[in-house]
Amino acid sequence: GDSVTQMEGPVTLSEEAFLTINCTYTATGYPSLFWYVQYPGEGLQLLLKATKADDKGSNKGFEATYRKETTSFHLEKGSVQVSDSAVYFCALSDRGGSEKLVFGKGMKLTVNP
Amino acid sequence: DAGVIQSPRHEVTEMGQEVTLRCKPISGHDYLFWYRQTMMRGLELLIYFNNNVPIDDSGMPEDRFSAKMPNASFSTLKIQPSEPRDSAVYFCASSLFQYTEAFFGQGTRLTVV
Repeated sequence: GDSVTQMEGPVTLSEEAFLTINCTYTATGYPSLFWYVQYPGEGLQLLLKATKADDKGSNKGFEATYRKETTSFHLEKGSVQVSDSAVYFCALSDRGGSEKLVFGKGMKLTVNP
Repeated sequence: DAGVIQSPRHEVTEMGQEVTLRCKPISGHDYLFWYRQTMMRGLELLIYFNNNVPIDDSGMPEDRFSAKMPNASFSTLKIQPSEPRDSAVYFCASSLFQYTEAFFGQGTRLTVV
């Protein structure tokens, strides 16, 4: 079945550090890929998405590229800020597969000033 | 649109009591999802609806849990009787189509003592 595997952390970085959160997936159909972010005490918010191979999603300085050959959708940001402290979830929705959003376990990021 | 609205934000109840969580999805969204989030199990999909009809309730943990969607603008998740292990944050989410991103509410933090 469909699944998402991501770094679980927790991870602590200093402000302005480079961030990479690895995400790989298994899907039987044609998945769309998502990164969600959850700030403390809040619900999940869509951060970015990509719907087909080689698409790059970007938002708020974050980027992720849909790599079909490596079944990956790694999240990157060149310079993190304290306000980026949150839990990050990788997810997929698989047309022809599970047909519902499948989430990774989430990774907690703390950015210190 | 105000987004997905959940109530109450916090609920504390005694073991054995009935608990009802409420959700108003984004207007025009055809899909509604109920999730549960705990530290131990992460984010779990409990049930989802399409056009008010339950499609997949395989994530509902026990018969004590039930969900309804009497119309396009309202859904409830009920736990009767509640148990301490039901303590979690419950999220409602809605989406326009099946394979697009879901929009989450702020969640209901349930504590059963």
